[in-house]
Amino acid sequence: ETGVTQTPRHLVMGMTNKKSLKCEQHLGHNAMYWYKQSAKKPLELMFVYSLEERVENNSVPSRFSPECPNSSHLFLHLHTLQPEDSALYLCASSQARSPAHNEQFFGPGTRLTVL
Amino acid sequence: GQQVMQIPQYQHVQEGEDFTTYCNSSTTLSNIQWYKQRPGGHPVFLIQLVKSGEVKKQKRLTFQFGEAKKNSSLHITATQTTDVGTYFCAGSAGGTSYGKLTFGQGTILTVHP
Repeated sequence: ETGVTQTPRHLVMGMTNKKSLKCEQHLGHNAMYWYKQSAKKPLELMFVYSLEERVENNSVPSRFSPECPNSSHLFLHLHTLQPEDSALYLCASSQARSPAHNEQFFGPGTRLTVL
Repeated sequence: GQQVMQIPQYQHVQEGEDFTTYCNSSTTLSNIQWYKQRPGGHPVFLIQLVKSGEVKKQKRLTFQFGEAKKNSSLHITATQTTDVGTYFCAGSAGGTSYGKLTFGQGTILTVHP
């Protein structure tokens, strides 16, 4: 596997379900991100982990819970979601402390539908 | 907080025509990045601009960073059907080790053959 991978690619869940999204990066990066992409909206940054420490939490509801067990893996735990949470959830990684090369590499995303 | 506005939201062109998208930040940026997202795909990094007034070219794509480091543009010469997709600018205000980005809403480009 190369780059950034995400599983599952598609997820349908009810409002009472609990599910998790998984992201893995194979680039040796040390910063990882969760973004939400909804139709007709800019990419919304949700969480950032740099050097395995959560450094950003952009007023995300507590029904979204991130976890970063090591620099290569990132999870987004979901529970009691709302239909408006349906969106494409994108994971990205970059090299922290490298201003000249801090471009972000995105995974293919998980298309989430909440019924 | 920092806002990044991008115009136009949509652009329809005939193959061979030129295309430009503009990006404006509410605050001075440390750097600006451009990404392309193909339909059904994910954002892919194109380029990063760091210096005031910087101009970079990638084949038919020309990227500019304004003198005040608050605006940027992407120009595509003689569009091709492979240029179809959404083009995002993303600004970084600096001050963090990990390059926090604020994305514009994107310009959706369609190219008619």
